Amino acid sequence: SAVISQKPSRDICQRGTSLTIQCQVDSQVTMMFWYRQQPGQSLTLIATANQGSEATYESGFVIDKFPISRPNLTFSTLTVSNMSPEDSSIYLCSVQTGAGQETQYFGPGTRLLVL
Amino acid sequence: GENVEQHPSTLSVQEGDSAVIKCTYSDSASNYFPWYKQELGKRPQLIIDIRSNVGEKKDQRIAVTLNKTAKHFSLHITETQPEDSAVYFCAALPGRKLTFGTGTRLQVTL
Repeated sequence: SAVISQKPSRDICQRGTSLTIQCQVDSQVTMMFWYRQQPGQSLTLIATANQGSEATYESGFVIDKFPISRPNLTFSTLTVSNMSPEDSSIYLCSVQTGAGQETQYFGPGTRLLVL
Repeated sequence: GENVEQHPSTLSVQEGDSAVIKCTYSDSASNYFPWYKQELGKRPQLIIDIRSNVGEKKDQRIAVTLNKTAKHFSLHITETQPEDSAVYFCAALPGRKLTFGTGTRLQVTL
């Protein structure tokens, strides 16, 4: 499995500001995803980060609120824009390592608190 | 879209006993079913998975069974240990998007 890191690991932010979360993988991967996990809840897919094109967003998530970049096969960023306390959550990236490989591996997550 | 239901939401067992967590899915196109374990403050970690062409898979104390006709799959943990205490998530993959169950908090007591 790939080694996945995320920065920052946690942050406390003021409402109305934006935070960019980075996801770095130690090897090239085919697919990268961003999830949100609210306290005590399950994992909800925000979007699929596509290399070289716009991300594919799930219902309820929009690009203006969660812009995503994926400049290459090992790196992606998720920005949480114009934050409100409701955005307080854990944000996780995950990867699929190869074509035809369904298995997803998760990064350590970014714990975000918005005041 | 796919809908995954998971039961029970909490489960308490004594050390050494077995634990069973059950999930049902709605989309017959789902063909991949992973199970993740998430300890407090940690990332979800894949513990076992099964594909639709297999009915059962075992890895030491952990096993997963799949009934495609009934659209349900289960996680079985035998000889539970305190370190098995965590939240467990099932998931189903009908195509592109992995859909997760709501999670089961397993507590193994001494």
